[in-house]
Amino acid sequence: AQSVSQHNHHVILSEAASLELGCNYSYGGTVNLFWYVQYPGQHLQLLLKYFSGDPLVKGIKGFEAEFIKSKFSFNLRKPSVQWSDTAEYFCAVTGGYNKLIFGAGTRLAVHP
Amino acid sequence: GAGVSQTPSNKVTEKGKYVELRCDPISGHTALYWYRQSLGQGPEFLIYFQGTGAADDSGLPNDRFFAVRPEGSVSTLKIQRTERGDSAMYLCASSLQPDAGANVLTFGAGSRLTVL
Repeated sequence: AQSVSQHNHHVILSEAASLELGCNYSYGGTVNLFWYVQYPGQHLQLLLKYFSGDPLVKGIKGFEAEFIKSKFSFNLRKPSVQWSDTAEYFCAVTGGYNKLIFGAGTRLAVHP
Repeated sequence: GAGVSQTPSNKVTEKGKYVELRCDPISGHTALYWYRQSLGQGPEFLIYFQGTGAADDSGLPNDRFFAVRPEGSVSTLKIQRTERGDSAMYLCASSLQPDAGANVLTFGAGSRLTVL
């Protein structure tokens, strides 16, 4: 069965620090990968997605993620975070099934 | 509508009661998904519809949970004999086509259910 593991449950950073959130998945076949974000009081929104092609994916608000097939990973990065990036981030995967499987999420708090 | 609409936004009920949660997807979206999110966890898949039919209900935890989408648009998630463990945020999402791998899901704001 597919599963998604997010290594960090809580991350605290100062503004301008660099961010990397880990995501690993278990599925041996072709996968599609997503990062969703949930800002305080708001609904889940798509941050970026990988379907095929260039494994380095750029999303909104300066986020990017790199698909490394050999490591079953899809880590999220941002070179310089802002206070407004405070949110919960979810990695998700589909592969062979018609549904998204989510990780447990990482709560990011950015201090000004 | 412009987005996925869920009602009620909050529902407090007593153990043993029956609850209905409604989802109104984006107009024209054929696929509709229900997820449940407990505190500190990611969304957990419950069921998805292609049109009027439930294409995959493998995530429904037990037979107290049931969902319908009679006209291929609005969906209702029904929970019988609610238990305290059913307390969670129930999320609905829709997509233009059924293949969640190729299409982005748009989520609603959720219905927070509290069972006392």
